[in-house]
Amino acid sequence: QSALTQPASVSGSPGQSITISCTGTSSDVGSYDLVSWYQQHPGKAPKLMIYEVTKRPSGVSNRFSASKSGNTASLTISDLQAEDDGDYYCCSYTSTTTVFGGGTKLTVL
Amino acid sequence: EVYLVESGGGLIQPGGSLRLSCEASGFTFSNSAMSWVRQGPGKGPEWVSAISGNAGTTYYADSVKDRVTISRDNSKNTLWLQMRGLRAEDTALYYCARGLAHFDYWGQGTLVTVSS
Repeated sequence: QSALTQPASVSGSPGQSITISCTGTSSDVGSYDLVSWYQQHPGKAPKLMIYEVTKRPSGVSNRFSASKSGNTASLTISDLQAEDDGDYYCCSYTSTTTVFGGGTKLTVL
Repeated sequence: EVYLVESGGGLIQPGGSLRLSCEASGFTFSNSAMSWVRQGPGKGPEWVSAISGNAGTTYYADSVKDRVTISRDNSKNTLWLQMRGLRAEDTALYYCARGLAHFDYWGQGTLVTVSS
């Protein structure tokens, strides 16, 4: 159950777009369309932003989109805003476990 | 509105045991798989365990397998995590979350500190 691999940090200016990658294996990301993404602000619980690779829960901005190709999933945030600053985690379900990525700190410059 | 309220955390010596609870409201508890997810200080979330809605199937991370037991009582809308043989590396904020493949609602967490 190795953690999924994410870049430690990304940054962007307001109005720009950024993409965060999440690399797993053929046993997790590559095998199941069950990748989710979470945003976390300091002192708060993670918040679901994307589930089942591309779906957005009600209330999540359409500036957040995601995709998957092979063993790598990606989260794109367009039109960056100050409130997007925070930590982002990907997550993948396997048949018996769920594994998170190590997290990416997004800094909005 | 969905609420998940965890309790039961605290300071515990290595080797000790602890039982965490999660009281759920605002949704049909018995229809939902539930999970425990922990987050160590300065670390990302780590999925710990999950249980199906009817409690018929349980799932455990390798890091805690054989040391924890997840259970639920649908008549009480309550989820538990019994932990034993606690180690320093189990120190974390433990969240109760709805779901198995993804987690759409989270509690505020209960802090478990394992230290002598």
